[in-house]
Amino acid sequence: QLQLQESGSGLVKPSQTLSLTCTVSGDSISSSGYSWTWIRQPPGKGLEWLGYVYRSGSTYYKPSLKSRVTISVDRSKNQFSLKLNSVTAADTAVYYCARGFWSGFHDTFDIWGQGTVVIVSS
Amino acid sequence: SSELTQDPAVSVALGQTVRITCQGDSLRNYYASWYQQKPGQAPVLVVYGKNNRPSGIPDRFSGSSSGNTASLTITGAQAEDEADYYCNSRDSSGDHVDVVFGGGTILTVL
Repeated sequence: QLQLQESGSGLVKPSQTLSLTCTVSGDSISSSGYSWTWIRQPPGKGLEWLGYVYRSGSTYYKPSLKSRVTISVDRSKNQFSLKLNSVTAADTAVYYCARGFWSGFHDTFDIWGQGTVVIVSS
Repeated sequence: SSELTQDPAVSVALGQTVRITCQGDSLRNYYASWYQQKPGQAPVLVVYGKNNRPSGIPDRFSGSSSGNTASLTITGAQAEDEADYYCNSRDSSGDHVDVVFGGGTILTVL
């Protein structure tokens, strides 16, 4: 059974870089057709898609965050990672990694990690 | 980017049927996916595409779509269905890939 687990820094200072890793177990990150996705949820608010990466390394980012976000995949470790630079308090959120798939008609995220809290504060 | 609009809160009597809606221009071109989120937990996919349920999701959950509106219907709501529900879809308003979520609907089972 596929499982995803986020890890990384839970406290980041303003203007610094947030770094998180998602470890995939139970299947290979190289499985065909899936996207490996980061989604966040600020306290008391809704979900926000940040971007995803395919096994090929192709990436797609939320346009409003594109200048600050980098998502990469490490197939040898069965992991994918998120870097968000120049963080502010507005980046405080629960960050989820998820597996997704695009059918041509819907973008769907079927397996989610448990989420990790990231607080931006000095 | 375009937006997806959901009613902030909906209530349903135990055992009755409730429809949660999601409106947006992108839904004229793409199907929505629906997620259930309980307090302190990660979202769980409940319905996706035209009307598909992942393994393990009860068949009281169903999806439909018409025009710019997607709907999640729970037929015979149970106490354990009380949760926040989110829709998402591909955004079709630009020439770049973007994915949008609705603001979420809090479902109360009375």
